[in-house]
Amino acid sequence: EDKVVQSPLSLVVHEGDTVTLNCSYEVTNFRSLLWYKQEKKAPTFLFMLTSSGIEKKSGRLSSILDKKELFSILNITATQTGDSAIYLCAVGLIQGAQKLVFGQGTRLTINP
Amino acid sequence: EPEVTQTPSHQVTQMGQEVILRCVPISNHLYFYWYRQILGQKVEFLVSFYNNEISEKSEIFDDQFSVERPDGSNFTLKIRSTKLEDSAMYFCASTHSINYGYTFGSGTRLTVV
Repeated sequence: EDKVVQSPLSLVVHEGDTVTLNCSYEVTNFRSLLWYKQEKKAPTFLFMLTSSGIEKKSGRLSSILDKKELFSILNITATQTGDSAIYLCAVGLIQGAQKLVFGQGTRLTINP
Repeated sequence: EPEVTQTPSHQVTQMGQEVILRCVPISNHLYFYWYRQILGQKVEFLVSFYNNEISEKSEIFDDQFSVERPDGSNFTLKIRSTKLEDSAMYFCASTHSINYGYTFGSGTRLTVV
């Protein structure tokens, strides 16, 4: 059975801290790994990773994939209260027009 | 920025009734999806749709479920006879290429009573 596991499930930090969110996976037919931010309802796309070792960066957020060890990390530096959200990791499979298998999410709370 | 639009935002229905959840994907997108999230649980894949046909469906997507793209702009999910366990947030998503991440809609919260 395809599985995506995120850790920690919940994290509370102070504004300005740096956080690292983890995602490990065991799937057949891996195609890509995606990170989403879910604040109220709709997950918002952050990154899509397909190659090992190549960091993707957007402002204070960055992510990297390790296809040998089957995991990815999402880093957020200089956190702000607006970063508070649930961060979802999903693996895209080759079949099903890249159907996604989601992890359970990490709830990140940034305190002022 | 283009959006995926879902209506209604919240629907309450009696068990056994039919519901239709509506989605308007981004106009130049070619791949369409439905996912659902039961409260407190993971987001789950239901169905993918490309070139006017289903690409894949999950075990959840049984004979009670169907999808349609009736007019080139709308993408609907129909549940024929709702059960209590169908209560969930239903998300529509679309993308113009599987080399890019999807855009999700804001979801329809379905409550079956």
